Amino acid sequence: GENVEQHPSTLSVQEGDSAVIKCTYSDSASNYFPWYKQELGKGPQLIIDIRSNVGEKKDQRIAVTLNKTAKHFSLHITETQPEDSAVYFCAASSTDKLIFGTGTRLQVFP
Amino acid sequence: GAGVSQSPRYKVAKRGQDVALRCDPISGHVSLFWYQQALGQGPEFLTYFQNEAQLDKSGLPSDRFFAERPEGSVSTLKIQRTQQEDSAVYLCASSPGNMNTEAFFGQGTRLTVV
Repeated sequence: GENVEQHPSTLSVQEGDSAVIKCTYSDSASNYFPWYKQELGKGPQLIIDIRSNVGEKKDQRIAVTLNKTAKHFSLHITETQPEDSAVYFCAASSTDKLIFGTGTRLQVFP
Repeated sequence: GAGVSQSPRYKVAKRGQDVALRCDPISGHVSLFWYQQALGQGPEFLTYFQNEAQLDKSGLPSDRFFAERPEGSVSTLKIQRTQQEDSAVYLCASSPGNMNTEAFFGQGTRLTVV
């Protein structure tokens, strides 16, 4: 079945710096790749997603890139702010279910 | 309108007790999912409904787990004879489309089995 690996597990950056989180997936049939932000005690919140017919998507300070050949996708956050601190999960899907990565705890220091 | 609503937010059950977790999806959403999230881990798929039909239950860990969505709206996840390893956050998500569309999660129910 599908397997999603996510790195790094923790990431600390200074406010204003960029943060990059990387994921790889195993199922070449996967065609939908969302990213979720989860704050303590809350459910995952969808922040951006990309489909396999697109190589890059941007929404303000957040961008996602997809390399289908390498089965690799990344989340880029620019001009980080303390409120970006949370756990971020990537996920991949080819059918009905989302397969999640293990999460990245991002800390943004003021 | 409101997002996905789950109740209760917290549940403490004695080992062997049965529990029922409720999910109210976003109105009009066709698809409903249940996920289990262990501490420090990503959510893991349990089951999927399209309207009232349970199309995928491959993630349910044992026959003690049962889910239903009888009228294609509210869903209930039932766990019989709870065990300590069932302790986790149970997340419900809904999406407007059939597959591979944006899924919106509720805040989850934290189940602790003692």
